Amino acid sequence: GENVEQHPSTLSVQEGDSAVIKCTYSDSASNYFPWYKQELGKRPQLIIDIRSNVGEKKDQRIAVTLNKTAKHFSLHITETQPEDSAVYFCAASGVNTGNQFYFGTGTSLTVIP
Amino acid sequence: NAGVTQTPKFQVLKTGQSMTLQCAQDMNHNSMYWYRQDPGMGLRLIYYSASEGTTDKGEVPNGYNVSRLNKREFSLRLESAAPSQTSVYFCASNTGTGDYGYTFGSGTRLTVV
Repeated sequence: GENVEQHPSTLSVQEGDSAVIKCTYSDSASNYFPWYKQELGKRPQLIIDIRSNVGEKKDQRIAVTLNKTAKHFSLHITETQPEDSAVYFCAASGVNTGNQFYFGTGTSLTVIP
Repeated sequence: NAGVTQTPKFQVLKTGQSMTLQCAQDMNHNSMYWYRQDPGMGLRLIYYSASEGTTDKGEVPNGYNVSRLNKREFSLRLESAAPSQTSVYFCASNTGTGDYGYTFGSGTRLTVV
């Protein structure tokens, strides 16, 4: 089955700096990669996703890049703000996963004012 | 439009007791999922239903059963609760095509004593 690894597990940055979270996946047939943000005590919320026919996608201060050859994808947050503090999860899915999502173990991001 | 509704939000059970977690979605989604979330382990799939009338095991199905009552509702049952089932449970749904994100319910925090 699919195996998704996520690093780092914790990340602290100063407000205004950039944050980068990296994930690798094992199944070359996976073709959809969403990112979720989970604030303390809340449900995971989809923040951005990328499909395998695209190398990069941006939405305001967040962006995701995908390297299919190396089987890794990354979340980039620029100009971080305290409200970006949360746990971020990556996931992968494709025909070999039965279109279910396999999640990374999460990154706890703290933005220091 | 409520999205995905989960009940109850909190529950304390004694070892050996049974209970059913309820989930309903109003987005006409085909697929529904039950995940558990434990510290440091991310989100792990318990059971899923790719479409009305079908259910399949995920990564961690032992000790659980599910019912896809109709297209809207997908319930998770613990027949004989164990302390190892203390966790936060999330229901989710999506189109089932593998390239659109999940919508999560608000979660159930279950403690088994």
